[in-house]
Amino acid sequence: GQNIDQPTEMTATEGAIVQINCTYQTSGFNGLFWYQQHAGEAPTFLSYNVLDGLEEKGRFSSFLSRSKGYSYLLLKELQMKDSASYLCAVRVFQAGTALIFGKGTTLSVSS
Amino acid sequence: DTGVSQNPRHKITKRGQNVTFRCDPISEHNRLYWYRQTLGQGPEFLTYFQNEAQLEKSRLLSDRFSAERPKGSFSTLEIQRTEQGDSAMYLCASMNRASGNEQFFGPGTRLTVL
Repeated sequence: GQNIDQPTEMTATEGAIVQINCTYQTSGFNGLFWYQQHAGEAPTFLSYNVLDGLEEKGRFSSFLSRSKGYSYLLLKELQMKDSASYLCAVRVFQAGTALIFGKGTTLSVSS
Repeated sequence: DTGVSQNPRHKITKRGQNVTFRCDPISEHNRLYWYRQTLGQGPEFLTYFQNEAQLEKSRLLSDRFSAERPKGSFSTLEIQRTEQGDSAMYLCASMNRASGNEQFFGPGTRLTVL
């Protein structure tokens, strides 16, 4: 089966850096995604990794290690608006192009 | 606003009733997905269309659920004989090769079954 684990909740303060980890056990890995979801809203795309390494996009970076089944999302210079749920998702060949999501990590940023 | 729209945004129904939701994807997107999300969980894949063809269906999709995309544009998701366990947010997403790997999600339809 497919299994994706990420912490349920994290807290941080404005201006800080936070790292949200995701581990996965899947067969036929075909990419890892991070989405942000504010309460009551649709998920919005943050990043995509299919090869090992770090992808940087502004304040957000995502890292992937395929051999370890591990990814993290790094958020720098945290802002209050970054308070949201962060969803780790994998795509596997057997599921076509559909995404398999983790339960999400709720990040609370305080001043 | 991602450009994907869903209607209605909220639906309250009594157990045993049938409900139908609509998704209008971004116009040039040929791939359309339905997901279901309950509180504190990530979205769960239900079904996937490429153009008008339904190519994938999750085991989560019981016989009471049916989805269509008759002309390869908008899609409908129908739930027959609703149960309280069907209460969830139903999300639609679309993409195409030109959009890269990103799936664009709609705002969802929140279903409450009483």
